[in-house]
Amino acid sequence: LAKTTQPISMDSYEGQEVNITCSHNNIATNDYITWYQQFPSQGPRFIIQGYKTKVTNEVASLFIPADRKSSTLSLPRVSLSDTAVYYCLVGRYSSASKIIFGSGTRLSIRP
Amino acid sequence: NAGVTQTPKFQVLKTGQSMTLQCAQDMNHEYMSWYRQDPGMGLRLIHYSVGAGITDQGEVPNGYNVSRSTTEDFPLRLLSAAPSQTSVYFCASSRTGGNNYGYTFGSGTRLTVV
Repeated sequence: LAKTTQPISMDSYEGQEVNITCSHNNIATNDYITWYQQFPSQGPRFIIQGYKTKVTNEVASLFIPADRKSSTLSLPRVSLSDTAVYYCLVGRYSSASKIIFGSGTRLSIRP
Repeated sequence: NAGVTQTPKFQVLKTGQSMTLQCAQDMNHEYMSWYRQDPGMGLRLIHYSVGAGITDQGEVPNGYNVSRSTTEDFPLRLLSAAPSQTSVYFCASSRTGGNNYGYTFGSGTRLTVV
């Protein structure tokens, strides 16, 4: 499993765009990058996954540079309900291996 | 389709007591895992299983036992509860292991050891 490094916490305001960067210097060729979101008292839920360049869905965008040693989760026009912990995961898409969530980034959105 | 069901939702134990946290899934997922989450912290992997009859240790396995006799069930046993095991426990399942987008989590068991 590739080791990931994320900021411990971030603050922003409603209506702003928030970018959370994850470093994964030892990412392997077959590794994907996945982001999960966890609200208080709930288990994590999937947000977005990508392999290279840019991926966008109705919730977020994921930017991955050519060297793939980092990735950025972008949340457009955040609201108070985006206050959560965000986890960056890196590893092979499908394998008989464990998945480590790590500490994540605690995002706080203010009015 | 119930997904991942954890029982109980809340539990208070005395130091030294043992108990089993239950986890069941009805999605025919091969991969199941247990995590603990302490206040203000991330998820730490306790044990995981890639199929019936196969289990392995995660990051923090000490004080916990697991078994996987069926595809559906993955109970977590606390052998002799300690205050350091006070935490919220999450069970998760997925069709396979690895970094995929299909992890389904249970609603958690909040355990307090006094």
